[in-house]
Amino acid sequence: GESVGLHLPTLSVQEGDNSIINCAYSNSASDYFIWYKQESGKGPQFIIDIRSNMDKRQGQRVTVLLNKTVKHLSLQIAATQPGDSAVYFCAERAPSGTYKYIFGTGTRLKVLA
Amino acid sequence: DGGITQSPKYLFRKEGQNVTLSCEQNLNHDAMYWYRQDPGQGLRLIYYSQIVNDFQKGDIAEGYSVSREKKESFPLTVTSAQKNPTAFYLCASSRGLTAQETQYFGPGTRLLVL
Repeated sequence: GESVGLHLPTLSVQEGDNSIINCAYSNSASDYFIWYKQESGKGPQFIIDIRSNMDKRQGQRVTVLLNKTVKHLSLQIAATQPGDSAVYFCAERAPSGTYKYIFGTGTRLKVLA
Repeated sequence: DGGITQSPKYLFRKEGQNVTLSCEQNLNHDAMYWYRQDPGQGLRLIYYSQIVNDFQKGDIAEGYSVSREKKESFPLTVTSAQKNPTAFYLCASSRGLTAQETQYFGPGTRLLVL
């Protein structure tokens, strides 16, 4: 079935380095994608989104890249800080006419001091 | 402060008991959702509501019930028919169900079975 997956379940990076978290999606018709950050015991926090008519979007210290050719989504975090340690997961929105989001299982980011 | 609140943070259920999880939002969002989160799995949709007095089953609705009597509130009842209720429950809302509407989440309720 359709699914959103992540290549690496755990990513460890040194403080100050850049982090790249990847996500593969299977529905080529999905038109909207969101990255969430979830700290232990808390609800997911919206980080950044991107529509399918874009291939890059930048926020504060974060960039999302969308490659529709290979159905790949990535989240780049610049100058990773200890507070960035969390689970990050992506969500894809099926085309209009449906309500559903498909959520990935998540990648745990560990920031090493 | 605008946002989504869930209560309680922790909830214990005895066998055969129904329990209700609260979700309130003051974002003036029309759509609300309930998800279940289990370790190693992506979020799974239990129920969603597009508008007051209307709600639809999600992918795993069995053993759960909801109501939407007010725009701000979307409580979830975990009934005794739900045989494996232990999970982290997340409520979310969005402006609508139309495409490309961001969902925002509450802080979650962890349900444990005694």
